Amino acid sequence: AQSVAQPEDQVNVAEGNPLTVKCTYSVSGNPYLFWYVQYPNRGLQFLLKYITGDNLVKGSYGFEAEFNKSQTSFHLKKPSALVSDSALYFCAVRGLSGGYQKVTFGIGTKLQVIP
Amino acid sequence: SAVISQKPSRDICQRGTSLTIQCQVDSQVTMMFWYRQQPGQSLTLIATANQGSEATYESGFVIDKFPISRPNLTFSTLTVSNMSPEDSSIYLCSASNRLAGNNEQFFGPGTRLTVL
Repeated sequence: AQSVAQPEDQVNVAEGNPLTVKCTYSVSGNPYLFWYVQYPNRGLQFLLKYITGDNLVKGSYGFEAEFNKSQTSFHLKKPSALVSDSALYFCAVRGLSGGYQKVTFGIGTKLQVIP
Repeated sequence: SAVISQKPSRDICQRGTSLTIQCQVDSQVTMMFWYRQQPGQSLTLIATANQGSEATYESGFVIDKFPISRPNLTFSTLTVSNMSPEDSSIYLCSASNRLAGNNEQFFGPGTRLTVL
């Protein structure tokens, strides 16, 4: 069965500092990997995805993520955090599960950017 | 991208009653999904809403409890039937358009349901 692990419930970072939100995955076959962000009382918004090609993918709001096949990781990064980045971040993987394509979400990591 | 709206945005319901949640997408999409998001937990897929046929339910979810309709490529409904306090959750509608080559999903703002 495929799975996604976000090992940190919460990440605190000072404004202007680099941030990393961790994600590891387990899936059969080649993974499609995604990051989504959820602001309070809002639905999830797509940030970026890895399908194939360059391991470093760039997305919305200055975020990027690095696909590492050997470590089965897809960590979300940003060089300089903003207070407005404070939100809940979900990692997701799409792969074959039970014979059909299925998307599995991680439990989410709350990012708190401190002014 | 697709813009998704849901109605109602929130509701407080009595035990034993049913609530129907509507999901409208601003463009035609191939795939529509219904998720449940409980506090402190990840998104759980309830079912995939199939246009013109019965929805495909995930393990632990059944049609009698969560009947779903999808009459066309832009609209779907989820009914939470015979509600109990355990059904209190946020229900999210989602869509993706595989024919357009988009693998990401777009989400509605959610419906916050409280069952007393």
